[in-house]
Amino acid sequence: NAGVTQTPKFRVLKTGQSMTLLCAQDMNHEYMYWYRQDPGMGLRLIHYSVGEGTTAKGEVPDGYNVSRLKKQNFLLGLESAAPSQTSVYFCASSYGGKGSLTTEAFFGQGTRLTVV
Amino acid sequence: DAKTTQPPSMDCAEGRAANLPCNHSTISGNEYVYWYRQIHSQGPQYIIHGLKNNETNEMASLIITEDRKSSTLILPHATLRDTAVYYCIVTPRAGSNYKLTFGKGTLLTVNP
Repeated sequence: NAGVTQTPKFRVLKTGQSMTLLCAQDMNHEYMYWYRQDPGMGLRLIHYSVGEGTTAKGEVPDGYNVSRLKKQNFLLGLESAAPSQTSVYFCASSYGGKGSLTTEAFFGQGTRLTVV
Repeated sequence: DAKTTQPPSMDCAEGRAANLPCNHSTISGNEYVYWYRQIHSQGPQYIIHGLKNNETNEMASLIITEDRKSSTLILPHATLRDTAVYYCIVTPRAGSNYKLTFGKGTLLTVNP
């Protein structure tokens, strides 16, 4: 059981380049999230989704786009990378459906992105 | 969403109980208290959650005050591997308003 898998684990981008981070979960979870974590900081929510085909903005959405075309995947896109987007990105998922006993979230191991 | 307040850091001796406080004075009736922890460089890990009753699992105990305005996470016998940042989060259980918003948490350092 893989849980939450993030691809890639490391990446270096040049300013202005684009890339997509992939998050995949095999737990049939409804909710998925993307966070960023900067040194010495807590996690900040970028975007999240409460179901297939839905997305919503978190607290730091600027410069990012997301898509949830399939229930198991949540993609985070950077259209034109900037040095300020250098960070560690974490994806998470949780059940959250009706009748759920818990909405415990499971996190991936992170993607370390450097924009130079 | 209700906001939470946690001390930035705490120390605990190995083998002793670690008691981590959290204030959430604006919590509403349908919001739960969740605790997560993040060991250095890893993704956060769920610990426990509760609504109004005290809860216990294999990792920790959660004590919620009767007015629900504060809670305490208890690690009964802290080990060096419990050194981590602990996050207290308040959120509805589910629905379109559900999301997990992390603050800066409490850095717990367990000393030998």
